[in-house]
Amino acid sequence: DTEVTQTPKHLVMGMTNKKSLKCEQHMGHRAMYWYKQKAKKPPELMFVYSYEKLSINESVPSRFSPECPNSSLLNLHLHALQPEDSALYLCASSLSSGMDTGELFFGEGSRLTVL
Amino acid sequence: GESVGLHLPTLSVQEGDNSIINCAYSNSASDYFIWYKQESGKGPQFIIDIRSNMDKRQGQRVTVLLNKTVKHLSLQIAATQPGDSAVYFCAENGAGNTPLVFGKGTRLSVIA
Repeated sequence: DTEVTQTPKHLVMGMTNKKSLKCEQHMGHRAMYWYKQKAKKPPELMFVYSYEKLSINESVPSRFSPECPNSSLLNLHLHALQPEDSALYLCASSLSSGMDTGELFFGEGSRLTVL
Repeated sequence: GESVGLHLPTLSVQEGDNSIINCAYSNSASDYFIWYKQESGKGPQFIIDIRSNMDKRQGQRVTVLLNKTVKHLSLQIAATQPGDSAVYFCAENGAGNTPLVFGKGTRLSVIA
C-alpha cells in the first residue's frame, strides 16, 4: 500500500465553523506533513510531525491546529478560518524527516473553500 | 532568502518531441532534489530524484541532470505524450533537518 488518503476531498465552511481534515497512511512512515497550496502556486509547508511529535510549525496561525493521534493518522483542525485560507491542503508522508527524508508521498488533497 | 526557482513558467511542446524543464536553486547545501508532476485536481506525484553526489539519473523516458557548479537542475522528458501535460515542480531537501522546499512550477502543455 503506497497511498496517502485524505478526507474529505472537498469542504465548504463558514468563518465560524469548526471542521477537520484527515490524512491516513499505512506505509510505516514516521514523518507526516501538511502543505497548503494556492492556485498556480507551489505547495507551502505548514507542519511536520516526526514520530508523532510536532517538529516544525512554519509560523502557521493558531486557527489551524494539527494533531497526530498515531503514526498512521494526521488531522488538521480548522476554526474561525478566513476566506483567504481557501486552498488545497495536501498531506504527505516520508520514511523520516531527518537528514535523509527521501521521497514525500502526497495525498490527493482536500479542497477547502471558506465562505 | 534561499529559494528554488524556475526559468520558464510555461512550456508548449509537440507530441513526440523532447521536453526540457529547468530549475535554478540557490541553497548550495542542498543534497537531494526531486521532480514532481501535478495534474489538475491531484496531489504531486514523484517522478525522479537525484542526490548531490550524482550529476545524472535516468528513469523511464525521464532524465534528471544536476549541475552543482551553477546550481541548476533540469528534467528531460523523451517523446512527450499528451499524458505528460501537467505542472512540474522541482523540490530540494537541504542538508540537515530541513523540509522539502518547492520551486515555482512549470506548466507543460503537449500539443497533439
